[in-house]
Amino acid sequence: NAGVMQNPRHLVRRRGQEARLRCSPMKGHSHVYWYRQLPEEGLKFMVYLQKENIIDESGMPKERFSAEFPKEGPSILRIQQVVRGDSAAYFCASSPLTRTGGDYGYTFGSGTRLTVV
Amino acid sequence: DQQVKQNSPSLSVQEGRISILNCDYTNSMFDYFLWYKKYPAEGPTFLISISSIKDKNEDGRFTVFLNKSAKHLSLHIVPSQPGDSAVYFCAAKAGNNRKLIWGLGTSLAVNP
Repeated sequence: NAGVMQNPRHLVRRRGQEARLRCSPMKGHSHVYWYRQLPEEGLKFMVYLQKENIIDESGMPKERFSAEFPKEGPSILRIQQVVRGDSAAYFCASSPLTRTGGDYGYTFGSGTRLTVV
Repeated sequence: DQQVKQNSPSLSVQEGRISILNCDYTNSMFDYFLWYKKYPAEGPTFLISISSIKDKNEDGRFTVFLNKSAKHLSLHIVPSQPGDSAVYFCAAKAGNNRKLIWGLGTSLAVNP
């Protein structure tokens, strides 16, 4: 399977617990992006990473959220002490290293639907 | 502040007819625009894009038109098919910035 793989597809957490969302980019893609879609809204950029490097985290909430893309393994979006407002669909996308970036659109995974109860 | 606006939340079209989805933007720094299609419980799928140096890009049944002076773009689907029923998102980016700014989407229903 050459697509962007996200897991889990569905995640239920109680308030105060931690949520870990994983994303494996397409083979050959060196860039990973995380987006969040709240109910009835469009996607909002959260963070853009390369291997071992955060390039742009301007969309990340200042507290409780962190992201990493280690040298080996998937990218992880971590949400500590989740609250009900974190309930959303979290999408990961990947793209290759191109000169202009994203000429042909990013490839998205199927998303992780986080529900905080 | 919504920099990319899709003012029609929904659109209903008969099979075989043209679907026209509209998108307006406010940021004059945007120079690349993309359309994505999204089915429920799936991630967005890239459909077609256009650079600001062009005013039209065509791919099969899908054509995107860009009017820079009006800061407006539209996606035309001809002929529309029931399988086109989905939510369509317009997105934009500026320069070498890799992050996409998204509209809220338009839900298209193509009726047989």
